[in-house]
Amino acid sequence: AQSVTQLGSHVSVSEGALVLLRCNYSSSVPPYLFWYVQYPNQGLQLLLKYTSAATLVKGINDFEAEFKKSETSFHLTKPSAHMSDAAEYFCAARKGGSEKLVFGKGTKLTVNP
Amino acid sequence: NAGVTQTPKFRVLKTGQSMTLLCAQDMNHEYMYWYRQDPGMGLRLIHYSVGEGTTAKGEVPDGYNVSRLKKQNFLLGLESAAPSQTSVYFCAIGTFQETQYFGPGTRLLVL
Repeated sequence: AQSVTQLGSHVSVSEGALVLLRCNYSSSVPPYLFWYVQYPNQGLQLLLKYTSAATLVKGINDFEAEFKKSETSFHLTKPSAHMSDAAEYFCAARKGGSEKLVFGKGTKLTVNP
Repeated sequence: NAGVTQTPKFRVLKTGQSMTLLCAQDMNHEYMYWYRQDPGMGLRLIHYSVGEGTTAKGEVPDGYNVSRLKKQNFLLGLESAAPSQTSVYFCAIGTFQETQYFGPGTRLLVL
């Protein structure tokens, strides 16, 4: 069964520092991949998605993610963290032909001044 | 969260009580989903629907029932609430192979 692993349930960075949130998927066939962000007491919002068109995907708020088939990874990065980036981030995967998403357990990002 | 509304926003139940959560959409998407979110567990799929009149079980369906009588509405029912069903419930909508859009959530506390 498809599974998604997010390394690190909590990540803390300083404002202006690089943000790196890790996501690995388990599938012999590359799935569709997504990153969602959840701000406190809100629903999930789509940051970006990979659908095989390009391996480097750019999303909102300067986030981007790179699909690496050899590493079965889809890590999320942002060059310079902002205080407003503090939130919980979820990686999700959907196998081709499936209507269901499988979510990782989430990574909570803290941005220190 | 535009286009997806959830009712109620917050509810407290006693063990054994029943309730229904409503998800409504105005985006005409075929697919609708109910998830629960618990700390450290991510989001887990309870039930979903691929169209009006259809429903299917997800990862954690026990203790819940659903109905999709109208395309724009997806109801999640708890017949006899248990403390283990204390959670935040999210509805999502989507189309085949495309992005899922999430509602604002319903916080449920079962005492």
